Amino acid sequence: EDKVVQSPLSLVVHEGDTVTLNCSYEVTNFRSLLWYKQEKKAPTFLFMLTSSGIEKKSGRLSSILDKKELSSILNITATQTGDSAIYLCAANAGGTSYGKLTFGQGTILTVHP
Amino acid sequence: GAGVSQSPSNKVTEKGKDVELRCDPISGHTALYWYRQSLGQGLEFLIYFQGNSAPDKSGLPSDRFSAERTGGSVSTLTIQRTQQEDSAVYLCASSPQPLNTEAFFGQGTRLTVV
Repeated sequence: EDKVVQSPLSLVVHEGDTVTLNCSYEVTNFRSLLWYKQEKKAPTFLFMLTSSGIEKKSGRLSSILDKKELSSILNITATQTGDSAIYLCAANAGGTSYGKLTFGQGTILTVHP
Repeated sequence: GAGVSQSPSNKVTEKGKDVELRCDPISGHTALYWYRQSLGQGLEFLIYFQGNSAPDKSGLPSDRFSAERTGGSVSTLTIQRTQQEDSAVYLCASSPQPLNTEAFFGQGTRLTVV
């Protein structure tokens, strides 16, 4: 059974801190790993990673995939209160599960002023 | 439309009643997904459509759950004889093709079974 595990489950920091969120996966016929930010209901897309070792950046957020370790990290530098959200990691498998995203349980990030 | 649209946004129903949840994907998106998110949990996969067919129904939790998609567009998720454990946010997402790119999520339907 495909599985995605995120850590930590929750994190409380102060504005300006840097955080690292972890995601590990066990997925048959792995195709890609996706990161989403969920503030209210609809998760919004952050990154899609398919190649190992290539960092993707968007402003203060960056992410990288390690296929050897079956893991990914999401870094947020100089955190702001607006970064408070649930961060979801999801793995996409191929084969008969093509098109299906398996999500982790999420990391709840709280950024205090 | 501009984004994925789901209706209703909130639904309160009595235990044992049937409910229908609707999803309007982004125009032209061939792939459509249904997920369920219970309080404090991650997203649980329910079903995936490519066009009108569902190659993967493995996530439907019981035979009380069914879904269809017509015209390669609108999808309906039906829950029969609702139970309290069905209470959750039901999220729909679509993508141009099956996850060659990101999936775009709707705002979800919050279902409460009382």
